[in-house]
Amino acid sequence: GAGVSQSPRYKVAKRGQDVALRCDPISGHVSLFWYQQALGQGPEFLTYFQNEAQLDKSGLPSDRFFAERPEGSVSTLKIQRTQQEDSAVYLCASSFLGAGTNSPLHFGNGTRLTVT
Amino acid sequence: AQSVTQLDSHVSVSEGTPVLLRCNYSSSYSPSLFWYVQHPNKGLQLLLKYTSAATLVKGINGFEAEFKKSETSFHLTKPSAHMSDAAEYFCVVTLAGTALIFGKGTTLSVSS
Repeated sequence: GAGVSQSPRYKVAKRGQDVALRCDPISGHVSLFWYQQALGQGPEFLTYFQNEAQLDKSGLPSDRFFAERPEGSVSTLKIQRTQQEDSAVYLCASSFLGAGTNSPLHFGNGTRLTVT
Repeated sequence: AQSVTQLDSHVSVSEGTPVLLRCNYSSSYSPSLFWYVQHPNKGLQLLLKYTSAATLVKGINGFEAEFKKSETSFHLTKPSAHMSDAAEYFCVVTLAGTALIFGKGTTLSVSS
C-alpha cells in the first residue's frame, strides 16, 4: 500500500522480555519519526531519523530503548527488558522532507504494546 | 521551547451545531501549526496546517482554523458537526528542524 505500515499491530510481552517493532515508511520519504502514545495522552516524541542518520533521540525514555534505520528506509524500535510503564501505542510517521518543514507527517496505525 | 495547550479535554456537541476546539501555543519564533485527528483504532490524519501564509486555514471535512498571533491561539472550528466527526483531535506545533510537539488532545463527542 501507499501508507506507513507498522508491525505487529498488537504485541503482548512479559515483563523483562525484549521486543522489536517495525516501521515501513512511505517510499522516498526522508524523515522518519517514532512517537509513544500512552492511554488518553497525546503522542510523545521519541526519536527522529533523516535518511539513515538518527538526528534526535532526546525523547527516548531510557537506554532500554534503541532505534535504527540502517538503510534509510525501514526502521526498527527495540525495547529491552520491557517494563509495565512501556505499555503504550508506538506510532511511526514519515515525511517527504526534513523535520520542522511544511511537509506533513504520515502516520501508521501504530503498534499497541502491552507488558504484563 | 515550544508547546501547545489544548484548553478542553472533552467537548460535546449536538449534530448540526458548531464545533470549537481551543488551542494555545507557546513559541519563541514563528511556528508551524497543525491539527491532526485520530479516529478509534485508526492512524493520525492531518486536518490542516498553518505555515505563515494565510491566517485562516481551511482543512478537510469542513474544518478550519485561524492563527491569531496576538492571542497565541490556533482554534479549530466547524460550522456544523457531523456524527462522523467524533474523534480525538490534537493541536501540534513545530519549529524548523524540530519534531512535532503534540497537545494532550481533545475528545469530541457528537450526539444526535
